[in-house]
Amino acid sequence: GEDVEQSLFLSVREGDSSVINCTYTDSSSTYLYWYKQEPGAGLQLLTYIFSNMDMKQDQRLTVLLNKKDKHLSLRIADTQTGDSAIYFCADFSGGYNKLIFGAGTRLAVHP
Amino acid sequence: DAGVIQSPRHEVTEMGQEVTLRCKPISGHDYLFWYRQTMMRGLELLIYFNNNVPIDDSGMPEDRFSAKMPNASFSTLKIQPSEPRDSAVYFCASSRGGETQYFGPGTRLLVL
Repeated sequence: GEDVEQSLFLSVREGDSSVINCTYTDSSSTYLYWYKQEPGAGLQLLTYIFSNMDMKQDQRLTVLLNKKDKHLSLRIADTQTGDSAIYFCADFSGGYNKLIFGAGTRLAVHP
Repeated sequence: DAGVIQSPRHEVTEMGQEVTLRCKPISGHDYLFWYRQTMMRGLELLIYFNNNVPIDDSGMPEDRFSAKMPNASFSTLKIQPSEPRDSAVYFCASSRGGETQYFGPGTRLLVL
């Protein structure tokens, strides 16, 4: 089956930029997503990018997609303590008609 | 919009009891998904519906699990009988068109 992989942990200083990386194997991806999960909460849709785009910017968030390498990244500018959470990358697999999630990257923001 | 609504938010039960989880999708969405999240296995898709019809239930772990969607605004996930290994957070999500999914807050289930 298709797979999505992410590093498990990232620690950054408040005010710095965070970059969370994700790789996927699906060749028939149509959309790729970033979700945020805070402790005890559900998954909040942060942003998504269509597979024919290279970049999408939304306020402090920048998504970069390298379709050739099947690599997706999420950059958070000026990271704040409120950004501490688990970030999930997800690929909508056209072949399987479902979202394939990575294991999540835990972002810790310290002063 | 109120978003996806799930109830109860927390459930503690004893092994062997029946557990029913409920979900109200976002109005106008035609897809509904049930997921389970555990530390060991991450997020797993259990089943999804399109226009109230179950499309793919290949993720349902065993016959003890069943899901229904009697109308466009309500779905249930039932576990009977429950076992300690069913302890997890169960999420419901909905979407219009199947791709971009919006998640509910989850039900935290503990089976003793």
